[in-house]
Order: sequence, then structure tokens, then C-alpha cells
Amino acid sequence: AQSVTQPDIHITVSEGASLELRCNYSYGATPYLFWYVQSPGQGLQLLLKYFSGDTLVQGIKGFEAEFKRSQSSFNLRKPSVHWSDAAEYFCAVGVRGGNEKLTFGTGTRLTIIP
Amino acid sequence: DAGVIQSPRHEVTEMGQEVTLRCKPISGHNSLFWYRQTMMRGLELLIYFNNNVPIDDSGMPEDRFSAKMPNASFSTLKIQPSEPRDSAVYFCASSDNSNQPQHFGDGTRLSIL
Repeated sequence: AQSVTQPDIHITVSEGASLELRCNYSYGATPYLFWYVQSPGQGLQLLLKYFSGDTLVQGIKGFEAEFKRSQSSFNLRKPSVHWSDAAEYFCAVGVRGGNEKLTFGTGTRLTIIP
Repeated sequence: DAGVIQSPRHEVTEMGQEVTLRCKPISGHNSLFWYRQTMMRGLELLIYFNNNVPIDDSGMPEDRFSAKMPNASFSTLKIQPSEPRDSAVYFCASSDNSNQPQHFGDGTRLSIL
């Protein structure tokens, strides 16, 4: 069965600084990969997804993520964070050719300081 | 386009009462998912449907929980009888294909007193 690890429970960065949120997955083949963001009191919103092709994927709100097969990673990056990026971020993995279930990581809470 | 619509947004009730959560998926989506989110356990998949048929209910915590999808545009999650440990945020999500992302509703915040 697939699994997802987000090793950082909480990250604090200064506004304008760069950001990288880590995500590692465990799966025997190339999975589908997703990053979601959850603002307080809201549902999860899709930031970006990787299915195949270019390993660097662009998402909404200036985010990008890079799929690295050799490291089983799909880290999320943003060159310059804004105060509005403060939220909880979830990485998720899906199985190719299987059912529609996603396995979510435990999330990383991002705090932005002025 | 309307997203996934959940109702109610908030529910406060006493233990032992029946609770019904409702979800309207995005039109045309054929898969629907119910999740529960708590601080202790994070985001848990309870059950999911494909073409209105329950495919995997292994995440349903116990017999007090039941879910139905009578048609493609409506699903319910019922808890009877409710207990304080059922307090959580319950999310519904839908997707239109096994390789397409899930779209989430804004959730129902449930408090059982």
C-alpha cells in the first residue's frame, strides 16, 4: 500500500522568503501526486498535480513542485511567500490504474512572520 | 461552476441524537468521498462511492456510521447514535475520473455535547 510522509509538522518563514515543503511517498510504481492547501475553516484546495511528463509542475498561487523519482519525493516550492500563504498544506498520492482513493500526508502548517 | 456543496456548515447536538450530513457533488463527477478530520488523527477517508455504489467503506469507524448515495447528485452520512468522540470536521469530495484530483467541499463542523 502507498504511504505519504510530510516530515515537517510546522514551518515558519518570513514574508518574502522562499519556501520548500517536503513530501516523500512510498509506492512501487510512479503514482499520481497532489498538493492541497487548507485555510482555516475551509476545505482542501488543489494547488497542483503530477500525472506524467515534465517533472516540474506549476500550480496556482505561484507554487511549483518537482517530482524526483530517485528520491521518492514531491516537494512544494514557492520563491517568495506572502502572508496569505499561511495555511495547512497536504501532500497526497494516488494509485495508477487502481481505485480513486488518495492517501494524504499528515500536513505541514505554514506560519508567515512579517 | 458550483463546487461541492455540504450542509449544514455547523452542527451542534447532544450525544445520542441522530446526525445527518449532506453532500452535493460537482455535476458530472462520478466518484464521491467522505472524510473526517481531527487534530489527533488528521484526514481519514471514511467511505467512497463510484457511480453511486459504495466501493470501499473500510474507514467507517463503526456501525453507528452509515452513508448512502441514492443518486448522482446527493449523498448523506448519518451517525446514529452520536457520541462526543464523533466531533470533527467532515468533508465531502468528488472527482470525475480515477486520475483526476478530488474537489472538496467546505466541510461540516460537528460538535457532539
